[in-house]
Amino acid sequence: GAGVSQSPRYKVAKRGQDVALRCDPISGHVSLFWYQQALGQGPEFLTYFQNEAQLDKSGLPSDRFFAERPEGSVSTLKIQRTQQEDSAVYLCASPSYKTSGGATGELFFGEGSRLTVL
Amino acid sequence: AQSVTQPDIHITVSEGASLELRCNYSYGATPYLFWYVQSPGQGLQLLLKYFSGDTLVQGIKGFEAEFKRSQSSFNLRKPSVHWSDAAEYFCAVGKAAGNKLTFGGGTRVLVKP
Repeated sequence: GAGVSQSPRYKVAKRGQDVALRCDPISGHVSLFWYQQALGQGPEFLTYFQNEAQLDKSGLPSDRFFAERPEGSVSTLKIQRTQQEDSAVYLCASPSYKTSGGATGELFFGEGSRLTVL
Repeated sequence: AQSVTQPDIHITVSEGASLELRCNYSYGATPYLFWYVQSPGQGLQLLLKYFSGDTLVQGIKGFEAEFKRSQSSFNLRKPSVHWSDAAEYFCAVGKAAGNKLTFGGGTRVLVKP
């Protein structure tokens, strides 16, 4: 696609419920990032994929958070047994690349999935 | 570890006035620096970036930023703000192009008519 697409845009979950958030990155982009943005704060890194390989998951806050990208394109962030502190906007991003190869440094972000846990 | 500080949480500026947003970073090597803007309900949009070379960089929407290594700063400026510049602005640092970014807490800009 032309941009990074995320769904659902809004999700309300009851505490303890499992949720799945989807990211469809820019077509052909091998790298994909997930960020978490709590209300009134800057985005914080969660995890990074290169193709289907999860190369960095150091930002995942607990073992309730799990991300996958099985075919190297669409990625899913899953949160099990949601807690109120999980309420945030979850952003997906992929880097732009020069036509000659190599990243330009810009991350293209999706509009995010806003999760509210009651 | 890298970190970014944006000392001003909110700034209110009159339309037509100049704007400067502060950003200080902590990073052991030459940083890759970015400014992003986030309008309500929208995703983050890159305003400008600095990797090397000229320390004054120009971006979109009339914004510019100056990298000052001695002060570990990368402040964003605009000579004359428009009402449409009301948004939240984030400074970010990375260690390479396409690498993960560390963001500051953001500065919310309000524009008075």
